[in-house]
Amino acid sequence: SQELEQSPQSLIVQEGKNLTINCTSSKTLYGLYWYKQKYGEGLIFLMMLQKGGEEKSHEKITAKLDEKKQQSSLHITASQPSHAGIYLCGADSPDNYGQNFVFGPGTRLSVLP
Amino acid sequence: NAGVTQTPKFRVLKTGQSMTLLCAQDMNHEYMYWYRQDPGMGLRLIHYSVGEGTTAKGEVPDGYNVSRLKKQNFLLGLESAAPSQTSVYFCASRSTRGGLRQPQHFGDGTRLSIL
Repeated sequence: SQELEQSPQSLIVQEGKNLTINCTSSKTLYGLYWYKQKYGEGLIFLMMLQKGGEEKSHEKITAKLDEKKQQSSLHITASQPSHAGIYLCGADSPDNYGQNFVFGPGTRLSVLP
Repeated sequence: NAGVTQTPKFRVLKTGQSMTLLCAQDMNHEYMYWYRQDPGMGLRLIHYSVGEGTTAKGEVPDGYNVSRLKKQNFLLGLESAAPSQTSVYFCASRSTRGGLRQPQHFGDGTRLSIL
């Protein structure tokens, strides 16, 4: 079965600093999703990547998919306290929407003002 | 537009009691999912449904049952609650229109404690 690893597990940065979170898959990624979760709340969808080399941006968050390396990265530029939370990556298998959709363990981000 | 709504938000049960968690979505999505989230374990799929009247087991289905009698509702049942089922439960829904790959939309979760 497909497994996702995330690094780092947790991250503390000073406001204004840039940071990167990585998601590595044990198998080829056909659909990679990034979510953000605040404590006590549900997951908020950020971005979806499908093609090797694809890059998407939303406000100060950029996600890239490197299909050859089976890895995706999430980069936050000039971090703000509002970026704090848990970031999770999730992935589709090529032919099953339910059972083979898996999530990484998450990266907990704290941004100090 | 409420999206995905879970009820209740919090619940405390005694071992052996039963209860049902309700998930409702107003986006006319075909697929629905139930996950549990535990510290150090991440999100794990319990059961899922690809349409009204159909359900399937996920990664950790033991001790849970589900039903999808209406397209907009997905119920998760605990017949005899155990302390190991203490967790935060999330429901999600997903559309298949517009392409094979669509994101899942999540509810705010139900915090369940089993004493």
